[in-house]
Amino acid sequence: AQSVAQPEDQVNVAEGNPLTVKCTYSVSGNPYLFWYVQYPNRGLQFLLKYITGDNLVKGSYGFEAEFNKSQTSFHLKKPSALVSDSALYFCAVRDRRDDKIIFGKGTRLHILP
Amino acid sequence: KAGVTQTPRYLIKTRGQQVTLSCSPISGHRSVSWYQQTPGQGLQFLFEYFSETQRNKGNFPGRFSGRQFSNSRSEMNVSTLELGDSALYLCASSLASDRYNEQFFGPGTRLTVL
Repeated sequence: AQSVAQPEDQVNVAEGNPLTVKCTYSVSGNPYLFWYVQYPNRGLQFLLKYITGDNLVKGSYGFEAEFNKSQTSFHLKKPSALVSDSALYFCAVRDRRDDKIIFGKGTRLHILP
Repeated sequence: KAGVTQTPRYLIKTRGQQVTLSCSPISGHRSVSWYQQTPGQGLQFLFEYFSETQRNKGNFPGRFSGRQFSNSRSEMNVSTLELGDSALYLCASSLASDRYNEQFFGPGTRLTVL
C-alpha cells in the first residue's frame, strides 16, 4: 500500500543550528514530492517540490530538500534555523500513475531561542 | 491576487444534520481539492475536481460529496453528520491539471459536531 512516513512527531532544534525533518515514502514509480508548512490557525503553505532532475531542491524561506531514490526519502533541511520556522511540516507524495496524493502525519518543529 | 477563501470559517452542528462548505479558488485556478484534517488521522484527501468533474476520490463514505461549478468554485456536503466528522476541512486549488502543480490552501472551515 502507498504510504508516507514522517517518523518524528516533533523535532526540537536550537536557533541557528541546522535542521532536518524526515520523510520517507512507499509509492511505486517516480512520484512527485512536496513539502508544506502549516502555521497556527492557517492553511498549508507550499515550500518546495521535486519533479525530476537535480536531487537537491531549493524552496521558500531558505528551505531545501534532498531526494534520495534508493532510500525513497525526501528530507527537508535548512542550514540555520529561525524561531519563526516553528510550525507543523507536512510531506506529500503524488503518485504519477493514479493521481492519488498522500500526506504524512506531520512533524511539529520547535525552534528554541 | 486573492488567495483561496473558504466559508464559513467555523461551524457547529449536531449529529444527524447536514452541512455545506464552500471554497473559492484563486482566480484562474481550475483544480480544487478537499481535505479533512484531524489530530489523530492527519490530513486525508477527500476528493478533487477539475473543470466541474470529479477527478479523484479518497476513501470516505458516500455521506461526503462535492461539486464544482463553472466558475471553479466548489462546495462540499456532508450528510447525516457524526461526531467523528468534527475536523478542519481544507480546500486547495491549483493552476491546471498537471499533477506536479503545487496546491494553494485556504484557511479551512472548522466543523464541530455535537
